[in-house]
Formats: sequence, C-alpha cells, structure tokens
Amino acid sequence: EAGVVQSPRYKIIEKKQPVAFWCNPISGHNTLYWYLQNLGQGPELLIRYENEEAVDDSQLPKDRFSAERLKGVDSTLKIQPAELGDSAVYLCASSLTGTGEGQNIQYFGAGTRLSVL
Amino acid sequence: GNSVTQMEGPVTLSEEAFLTINCTYTATGYPSLFWYVQYPGEGLQLLLKATKADDKGSNKGFEATYRKETTSFHLEKGSVQVSDSAVYFCALSGYGNTGKLIFGQGTTLQVKP
Repeated sequence: EAGVVQSPRYKIIEKKQPVAFWCNPISGHNTLYWYLQNLGQGPELLIRYENEEAVDDSQLPKDRFSAERLKGVDSTLKIQPAELGDSAVYLCASSLTGTGEGQNIQYFGAGTRLSVL
Repeated sequence: GNSVTQMEGPVTLSEEAFLTINCTYTATGYPSLFWYVQYPGEGLQLLLKATKADDKGSNKGFEATYRKETTSFHLEKGSVQVSDSAVYFCALSGYGNTGKLIFGQGTTLQVKP
C-alpha cells in the first residue's frame, strides 16, 4: 500500500515568489494534516482537515499561507509571497479517524524541503 | 497548554549499548503518547505508542512506559545497532487520540560500530 506522497521533495525559490506543495494521503484516510518543521525542531501543526473541511487552522499564517483539500483527497499548501523565514520542511500526514485499533495514527510523508533565498 | 520536553542530543553510543531517551510531558486530561523516528531524508515513522497510564508500547526492541505519576514516557532499548541512528521525537495527542500531535524538539542518536 502506498504511503503519503508529497511533491516536490525540494524547492528553492527567491523571496516574494509564490510556492505550492502537494500531498496525496493514504487511500481512505479522511483526516489530513500539514505540519511545519524548522531545523532542529519538532513538527508543528499548520492545518488539519476532516474530509474537505478545515477543522483546525489556528496556526496557519493566513496573510500568506493558504490550503485546500478539494474532494477530500489530495491537498495543496501555498505560500504567497514567500519570506526568508519560511525556509523549513513542510510535512503532510494522514489518518483514519475512528475508534478501532490502529485508527487515529498519523502517517507522514517524506516532506518538502523549502529554501527561500 | 500541552507540551513535550525531550533530553537534548546528540546522544552518541557504541553498538550494543543501552539506550535511554528521556521524555516528559505536560497535558490536561489523558493524552496518548507516541515515539516517532526520522531517518535521514525520510518522513516520520511511528515507532510505538501508549494510550493510557501504565501501558507499555514496544516495537523493534524499543520500549516506553506511560507513567502518569511522573508524566514521563522514556524510550529505552537494550542493545542499539548502527541502523538505529536517527532522530527520535516524543509526541502527545489529546484525549480521544484525534487532532494534532504536539512534538518535542527531537533527540539525535548516533550509534558507532
């Protein structure tokens, strides 16, 4: 079974340019997460989707960041315009929400490493 | 608010040495606790979990016990291998195990042959 797929793996852009990251979750997983991981730190949640609905976006800097999850499957995270401080790894994770054993476990993609010059 | 604190790294051990990585947490209610591992160039992988007090999670020779009285979830392994070299993250999730994970800062483990 395929895991969480993210693309691109690496992205280098100049400041003030736009950038987008794409995530394809594990098939059947209804919950999707975007995390930000700064160098030497643990990931921090940016936004969480339950199906198509963003149920927790309190940590998403809405002046420059946006996300969407059309049809409740794939998701895109966008930054416009990018700033130097946005250089980090952007991780996507998915889970199947429920009460059974093995559910509510978050599975992570390999991430997109963004460098803003 | 909820938080996780891990021992600072890097931790450098010789092969077959005993490993302990300390993790303590602050949380309201009854969180679930996790250890994730991140190998170079890869995403985070779930290593083990525990959902209630006194539960012991185990996988691949690693163990951690949910200690509510000391609010701890220390990771241990009796004999480490070079292939265990990675970054280890302790994390918690709120009651019901839904919602966001709150991670510690990570501990780098280097195992030398």
